[in-house]
Amino acid sequence: GNSVTQMEGPVTLSEEAFLTINCTYTATGYPSLFWYVQYPGEGLQLLLKATKADDKGSNKGFEATYRKETTSFHLEKGSVQVSDSAVYFCALKGIQGAQKLVFGQGTRLTINP
Amino acid sequence: DVKVTQSSRYLVKRTGEKVFLECVQDMDHENMFWYRQDPGLGLRLIYFSYDVKMKEKGDIPEGYSVSREKKERFSLILESASTNQTSMYLCASSLGTGSDTQYFGPGTRLTVL
Repeated sequence: GNSVTQMEGPVTLSEEAFLTINCTYTATGYPSLFWYVQYPGEGLQLLLKATKADDKGSNKGFEATYRKETTSFHLEKGSVQVSDSAVYFCALKGIQGAQKLVFGQGTRLTINP
Repeated sequence: DVKVTQSSRYLVKRTGEKVFLECVQDMDHENMFWYRQDPGLGLRLIYFSYDVKMKEKGDIPEGYSVSREKKERFSLILESASTNQTSMYLCASSLGTGSDTQYFGPGTRLTVL
C-alpha cells in the first residue's frame, strides 16, 4: 500500500539557517504530494503541493520538488525564521480510491533566535 | 476562506462513556474526514465520508463510528471510550472528486481517564 517516510525529528536550527526535511514515499503510479504545517495549538494547513513529476511546489519561502526517480519530496527553505517553528507533515494522495491522504509521522522543527 | 470547526478543543471523559465529537464545515464540501494524531505516528485516518449518509472505514476504525446526516456536519462517536483512545482528533474536509486539498479544523484533545 501507499506509505510516506519522513526524517526523524526533532530538528533544531538557528535563525537564518538552511532547512531540509526529507520525505520519501511508496505508491503506485503518480500520486499527488503535499507538505502540511501545524503551528502550536492549531490544526494542519496546506503549505505546498505538487501533482506530477518534476513539479515544484512553493509557498512562504519553502519549496519541494516532486522527484519520481528517487520517490522523494524533500522540503527546503533557504533561511528559516523563529516563526517557522512548527510540526511539518509530508503526505500523499494515491491515484486510486477515494480522496484520502496518507501522512508521514511528522517532523517537529524548532528555530532558535 | 474555508472554515472547519470542531465542537471542543479539550475534552475529558471516563472509561466506558459514550463520546461525541462534532465537526462542521462551511464551504459545501463533499468529503469529510476524521483522523487521530499521536506522537511518532503522524495522522491516521479513522473514517471518511464522501456524501451525506455515506461513510467508509479508514485505517483504524475499530472502536469508532460516524454519522453524517447533513452535508456540513460529520460526527465521530466513541461508543465506549477507552484509555487507548486518548489522543488528538482532527477533522478535515475537501471539495470533492478531483480536489486534493484538505482543510483541517483546530483539533480536539480527548483524554479518557
